Amino acid sequence: RKEVEQDPGPFNVPEGATVAFNCTYSNSASQSFFWYRQDCRKEPKLLMSVYSSGNEDGRFTAQLNRASQYISLLIRDSKLSDSATYLCVVIPTSGTYKYIFGTGTRLKVLA
Amino acid sequence: NAGVTQTPKFQVLKTGQSMTLQCAQDMNHNSMYWYRQDPGMGLRLIYYSASEGTTDKGEVPNGYNVSRLNKREFSLRLESAAPSQTSVYFCASSEDDRPYYEQYFGPGTRLTVT
Repeated sequence: RKEVEQDPGPFNVPEGATVAFNCTYSNSASQSFFWYRQDCRKEPKLLMSVYSSGNEDGRFTAQLNRASQYISLLIRDSKLSDSATYLCVVIPTSGTYKYIFGTGTRLKVLA
Repeated sequence: NAGVTQTPKFQVLKTGQSMTLQCAQDMNHNSMYWYRQDPGMGLRLIYYSASEGTTDKGEVPNGYNVSRLNKREFSLRLESAAPSQTSVYFCASSEDDRPYYEQYFGPGTRLTVT
């Protein structure tokens, strides 16, 4: 089983729709989680951190479910500019604090 | 502030050639990283430097060497390029290597080895 798994998509949604992605992780002791956004042929950029209590930033909400070992990202009122690949990042507790990236979920918002 | 810069942006090498990818950051960060990104594989850590003067192997270090030249600069060297090293290479930096610190990425180097 991969350490971090994401549905590669693409998720094709109309403008204004709500869309959600999940990311599962295998190490139950993982301590930190992030969502990064990567536009086509660009570098990844931090979208938001994922806290145990959840985290909301405007139209974006991130949740952590430790019991089922997944994190989620919810995007409300999708915009064309939300089209990108969303990378899940998990940081395990063992060893050094290195990012483990998922392969990303591609979102296309359609006019 | 430029953030994280990388040179070159694109490079084509023949098998067996060598090259050095350069990375610099102007955010006074302690930790720096080199990743490669391949389709369907996600970003994988090649080497990292937790602080100036230290380097350590990541998940896929074979065929690469690194130098933390100073606090600002972290270079990645391919001594004898192979087609399997065709990839997009990203350098990143963070304030330090504790888990809650964001990593900032450079624009990437697209490398093709023929």
